[in-house]
Amino acid sequence: AQSVTQPDIHITVSEGASLELRCNYSYGATPYLFWYVQSPGQGLQLLLKYFSGDTLVQGIKGFEAEFKRSQSSFNLRKPSVHWSDAAEYFCAVGEPNDMRFGAGTRLTVKP
Amino acid sequence: EAGVVQSPRYKIIEKKQPVAFWCNPISGHNTLYWYLQNLGQGPELLIRYENEEAVDDSQLPKDRFSAERLKGVDSTLKIQPAELGDSAVYLCASSSHSGGYTGELFFGEGSRLTVL
Repeated sequence: AQSVTQPDIHITVSEGASLELRCNYSYGATPYLFWYVQSPGQGLQLLLKYFSGDTLVQGIKGFEAEFKRSQSSFNLRKPSVHWSDAAEYFCAVGEPNDMRFGAGTRLTVKP
Repeated sequence: EAGVVQSPRYKIIEKKQPVAFWCNPISGHNTLYWYLQNLGQGPELLIRYENEEAVDDSQLPKDRFSAERLKGVDSTLKIQPAELGDSAVYLCASSSHSGGYTGELFFGEGSRLTVL
């Protein structure tokens, strides 16, 4: 069965610093992979997704993620974090109609 | 375009009381999902509808939870009776596969339930 692990429960970075959030998945075939963001009191919003092709995918808000099959990873990155990026980030793996979410990583941004 | 609308946003009830949550998906989205999000956890699927048919309710605790999606548009999730452990956020999401699988789910803001 597919599953997702986000090893970091909470990460704190300074504004302007780079960010990398880790995601490892377990899946029997080529996975569909996603990153969602949840701001306080809001629903989840899709940041980016990977289905196939180029393993480096670009998303909204300046985020990117890289699919590494050999490491079963799909880490999210941003070169320079803004205070508004403080939120909860969820990695998800899914085939049509069966999406599994990780437990999330909470990002705090220091001024 | 209006997003997924959920109500109420917050609900506080005593245990053993009933509670209902309502969701109106994005217009034209034929797939509707109810997710449970416990504190510090990711969303977990409770039930998925394709139009008015519940096609995956394997994770729905059917002894106390029920859901319906009459006419294939808006949906209601009910808990009766509520237990302390039901305190969580109930998220509704919708998606459209008419143009092929995109994987994108559109979420509402959630209904936060507190059971005392």
